[in-house]
Amino acid sequence: DTGVSQDPRHKITKRGQNVTFRCDPISEHNRLYWYRQTLGQGPEFLTYFQNEAQLEKSRLLSDRFSAERPKGSFSTLEIQRTEQGDSAMYLCASSLDFMDNEQFFGPGTRLTVL
Amino acid sequence: DQQVKQNSPSLSVQEGRISILNCDYTNSMFDYFLWYKKYPAEGPTFLISISSIKDKNEDGRFTVFLNKSAKHLSLHIVPSQPGDSAVYFCAASVDGGSQGNLIFGKGTKLSVKP
Repeated sequence: DTGVSQDPRHKITKRGQNVTFRCDPISEHNRLYWYRQTLGQGPEFLTYFQNEAQLEKSRLLSDRFSAERPKGSFSTLEIQRTEQGDSAMYLCASSLDFMDNEQFFGPGTRLTVL
Repeated sequence: DQQVKQNSPSLSVQEGRISILNCDYTNSMFDYFLWYKKYPAEGPTFLISISSIKDKNEDGRFTVFLNKSAKHLSLHIVPSQPGDSAVYFCAASVDGGSQGNLIFGKGTKLSVKP
């Protein structure tokens, strides 16, 4: 299968703990995006990479959030000192690097902070 | 302030009839628009897109219409099938997506009844 994959699919953690999510994009895609989706809302942009360079970060991405894409392939999103408000679906997407091209989404990681 | 608005949270249609999902936007810089379909516990799946240089794009049962002067787009599904039942998200971007992030609406839940 050559789709976007995310791991884990579900994560339950206690407030104050750190969590890390992984995303593997479609292999030939050099752009990778992270979004967050809460109940009743559409996905909200967090950050994106072109190859290994992080080119844009949303103001939603507080200092507790950090994302990396060390070799321009897979990416990790870490949340430090989780809060209950961090509970959401975290979605990863990838795309090719040209105009008018669609982003392909993974299945998401559902985070629950107790 | 929401730049992409889907004012109908839900829509119910009979199998075989036409489904029309609407989307309005406020940012005149948007020039690339996409529709995604989302089933529960899955990531959004790309359906169809349209560039602002066009006013219509067709793909099988799905047609997207763009009215730039009204800042309005719509997705037509003909004929509707029970498997089309899902949440549909409208998304928009500037510079053909080269700026990275997509701005999503809140979604419309479509129910197609047999």
